[in-house]
Amino acid sequence: KAGVTQTPRYLIKTRGQQVTLSCSPISGHRSVSWYQQTPGQGLQFLFEYFSETQRNKGNFPGRFSGRQFSNSRSEMNVSTLELGDSALYLCASSLAKEGVFFGQGTRLTVV
Amino acid sequence: AQRVTQPEKLLSVFKGAPVELKCNYSYSGSPELFWYVQYSRQRLQLLLRHISRESIKGFTADLNKGETSFHLKKPFAQEEDSAMYYCALKGSGGYQKVTFGTGTKLQVIP
Repeated sequence: KAGVTQTPRYLIKTRGQQVTLSCSPISGHRSVSWYQQTPGQGLQFLFEYFSETQRNKGNFPGRFSGRQFSNSRSEMNVSTLELGDSALYLCASSLAKEGVFFGQGTRLTVV
Repeated sequence: AQRVTQPEKLLSVFKGAPVELKCNYSYSGSPELFWYVQYSRQRLQLLLRHISRESIKGFTADLNKGETSFHLKKPFAQEEDSAMYYCALKGSGGYQKVTFGTGTKLQVIP
């Protein structure tokens, strides 16, 4: 089974721009969640989708948004990028009663 | 609200010494607890889950509901155990978000 796939692996954007990150979950997994990982803050939960519906949301500003498609693939969008948005963005998929399985992440650098 | 606390940011031990990575949680129901590990330049991966009661790479973790703890232990540390370890909690009942602790960096000194 293929693992969680995230694209692109690396991105460099300038302040004020917007960015869209993509995630393909493990086949059969309907739950997709997103996390931001930084050296200072560790792993912070962004949001979780299940069957195209956002089920949980972390404490991030409205500039961070996401969606899930009918094939369970998910995208995350960040608008009006700030320098502090530079981080590793991780996507994870899961089945009920199991842990989450992570992708390799997208390294976003805002300059 | 669910919360996971890992009090140590860095834990340094000598090779062959016992390891204990602490994790305490706060949750009103019956949670599922996990340990994740991230080796250098690798993706975050599941190490073990309390439901399985298994030992992975010599690591074990016991859920103590009285102390609301899920400490990760290994009797003899190896250099390849050096990594970032995250404790995580998933609430019970349907699909619940997973809450991670801030992580503990384990450094095994040769």
